[in-house]
Order: sequence, then C-alpha cells, then structure tokens
Amino acid sequence: AQSVTQLDSQVPVFEEAPVELRCNYSSSVSVYLFWYVQYPNQGLQLLLKYLSGSTLVKGINGFEAEFNKSQTSFHLRKPSVHISDTAEYFCAVSDYTGTASKLTFGTGTRLQVTL
Amino acid sequence: EAGVAQSPRYKIIEKRQSVAFWCNPISGHATLYWYQQILGQGPKLLIQFQNNGVVDDSQLPKDRFSAERLKGVDSTLKIQPAKLEDSAVYLCASSIRTGGVFFGQGTRLTVV
Repeated sequence: AQSVTQLDSQVPVFEEAPVELRCNYSSSVSVYLFWYVQYPNQGLQLLLKYLSGSTLVKGINGFEAEFNKSQTSFHLRKPSVHISDTAEYFCAVSDYTGTASKLTFGTGTRLQVTL
Repeated sequence: EAGVAQSPRYKIIEKRQSVAFWCNPISGHATLYWYQQILGQGPKLLIQFQNNGVVDDSQLPKDRFSAERLKGVDSTLKIQPAKLEDSAVYLCASSIRTGGVFFGQGTRLTVV
C-alpha cells in the first residue's frame, strides 16, 4: 500500500517570492512521483513527473521538484511565484505494475499568491 | 492532441435519483480511470480499466455505482440511487504506460 502526505494544507506567499510545497510518500516498492495543479473548476494538469534518472525534475510554468529517496520526499519548488500560480497542488505516487499507473493522491496544498 | 473529454460539466439532482457521466479518453490511451474528488480532498480512485477490462474497482461502492467501458474507448459512470454524500467532482483520466495520467475537466455533481 502507498500513501502521500502533504504537510501544508495552505501556503500563503507574496508575488515574486520563492515557494516550496512539501510532499512525503510511503511505499514498499519502487514508485513514480507526480505533481498536479488544479485551478478553480478545472481538472488536474500534470506539472511534472519523476520516473527514473536525474532526481531533479523540471516541469511546466517554472516549477521543479527533487526526488529524495532516503527522505522519501518529493518537494515542489519555484524560485519566483506569480499571481497566476494561485491554485491547488496535489502530489501523487504511482505503483507501476507493468501495465498501467494507479495514482494515489495527497490531500492537496492550496497556494495563495498575493501582491 | 485532444484531451480527455467529459460531459456534462455540471449536474444537480435530488437524492435517490440516478445520474450518468460520460468520458472519452485521449486517443490510443488503453487505461481509463474514474476518480471522485470531494471538496477539500484529493481525488480518490473509483475504478480503473485496461482496454475494456476492469483492473481495480476495490473502492467503487458497487451497491449504487457502476461503470462500463464498451469497446475499450468511451466510458460511462452511473450512480443509482444517489445520496447526499455523492456530491463531488467526478474526474475521468487516461494514460499509456508510464507516460503520466491526463485528466478531463470533471463533472461537478450536486445532490440535494
């Protein structure tokens, strides 16, 4: 069984400031990790994913995340946020079984960017 | 490339009524998922199809929820009868192997 913990339910930040959204996971097998963003009344959009290789993953909209196996973490970062980054962010883990991914999501972190 | 299409976007029904949601995945995606997202929570997997076969439906309330994926393409999720606690956004998604899972815009269901 897998689980994902997003430690912060809300993160307020000023525009142009850096931000880090924390994600820790638990799994007994090798996993793939994802970050999704959800804007109001929209579905989930894939920001970035870690499947293998380099532990630093770059995604869309200037976001990046670092996979840390020893700390079982996959924190999302952005050096300078914009008002338009205000949204809900979900971390997810997948136990790839060889046929298809099955995603388990965290409870989400609400990023609120203000002027 | 067209994304995952869902309809309707919004639905309001009374409790004990029935409702159905439709999903058309991205072309060529063999895996299709239905997720339930209750307000303030992360999405929860209801059912996963591989082509037209069910891979995982362990969290689908089978006494009232049903889903099918005829011909391995489109899928329909049905609730009969609906309860107040079924109010949520129902998200359809599709994927190919490790390429990531892509979501539709969802159907917001309100049961009154």
